[in-house]
Amino acid sequence: KAGVTQTPRYLIKTRGQQVTLSCSPISGHRSVSWYQQTPGQGLQFLFEYFSETQRNKGNFPGRFSGRQFSNSRSEMNVSTLELGDSALYLCASSLVQGVYNEQFFGPGTRLTVL
Amino acid sequence: KQEVTQIPAALSVPEGENLVLNCSFTDSAIYNLQWFRQDPGKGLTSLLLIQSSQREQTSGRLNASLDKSSGRSTLYIAASQPGDSATYLCAVKAAGNKLTFGGGTRVLVKP
Repeated sequence: KAGVTQTPRYLIKTRGQQVTLSCSPISGHRSVSWYQQTPGQGLQFLFEYFSETQRNKGNFPGRFSGRQFSNSRSEMNVSTLELGDSALYLCASSLVQGVYNEQFFGPGTRLTVL
Repeated sequence: KQEVTQIPAALSVPEGENLVLNCSFTDSAIYNLQWFRQDPGKGLTSLLLIQSSQREQTSGRLNASLDKSSGRSTLYIAASQPGDSATYLCAVKAAGNKLTFGGGTRVLVKP
């Protein structure tokens, strides 16, 4: 069974631009969560989607948004990029939206903002 | 607010030695705790998941314990190998499906 896939793997953007990252969960998984990893702040929760609805949201500005499609694939969008948005963005999937479920992570998308 | 701490931040051991990695959390009202491994520039690989009702989980050379009341978990890696060199992260799940991560322990196993 294929794991979580994320595209693209690497991105370079300039300040003010916007970017869209994509995540395909493990087949059959319906919950997708997004995390940001930076050297200074570590891993921080962005948001979670289940059945095309945002279920939980972390403490990030409105420039960060996402959506989930009927096939459970998810996209995350960052508008008006800032230098501080440079990070590894990780997507995780789990079978259902249950607190006892194990989460599986993708390889991440490395975003560099110049 | 849940806070997760991992001490030490870095650890270096000779090959063959047992590794002991610590994780502490401030709010004991958790549903589960997960240990991950991260290689440089890569995603997270799930190692062990311990539900809140469990005291430990084992997988091969890995053993993780959980003491919810004291807010602690320990990951033991027996007979370490150079291939075990990586950053190890623990994460707790409380409300919702959100994981709160520790800062990680960077491990170097010297041949």
